[in-house]
Amino acid sequence: QSALTQPASVSGSPGQSITISCTGTSSDVGSYNLVSWYQQHPGKAPKLMIYEGSKRPSGVSNRFSGSKSGNTASLTISGLQAEDEADYYCCSYAGSSTLFGGGTKLTVL
Amino acid sequence: EVQLVESGGGLIQPGGSLRLSCAASGFTVSSNYMTWVRQAPGKGLEWVSVIYSGGSTYYADSVKGRFTISRDNSKNTLYLQMNSLRAEDTAVYYCARGIIPDSYWGQGTLVTVSS
Repeated sequence: QSALTQPASVSGSPGQSITISCTGTSSDVGSYNLVSWYQQHPGKAPKLMIYEGSKRPSGVSNRFSGSKSGNTASLTISGLQAEDEADYYCCSYAGSSTLFGGGTKLTVL
Repeated sequence: EVQLVESGGGLIQPGGSLRLSCAASGFTVSSNYMTWVRQAPGKGLEWVSVIYSGGSTYYADSVKGRFTISRDNSKNTLYLQMNSLRAEDTAVYYCARGIIPDSYWGQGTLVTVSS
């Protein structure tokens, strides 16, 4: 039950695009199309941004998109806005368990 | 409206026990996968446990043998019984719907294990 690997931090200027990677193994990310991404602001509960790898829940901006290649999933945020500054976590089904990434702090410069 | 409300957190001494509750409204707990996730202060999210709609339960290695997930269908409530608590169990505990948590999470309840 090892955590998925995410970069500790990423940054970008308003209007730019950034991508956060999430690397797992053939036993989790690579085996199932069940990867989700969450946004978390300080002191708040996580918010679902992407599910099943690339689907957006109702109400989530289309500036957020997800993809997967092999054992790595990615979250791309285009047209960065100040309100996007937050922690982002990936999550994958792994058979009889669920794994989270260590989290990535996004700073909007 | 779907809502999850956790309760039961607090300060507990090492070795002690605590039961967390997660009252659901707007959907039926027993018809869904339900998950507990925790977050230690200043740290990332950690999956704790899941209960399937069929009743199967699974646990993270870090809590296996000490924590028990259950539900009361009549109360539409999810529980997490936590025994033999350790300092490293200190965290905000969230309940969430789904085997991979979906859009519905509780607000979290803080458990502090300290003497």
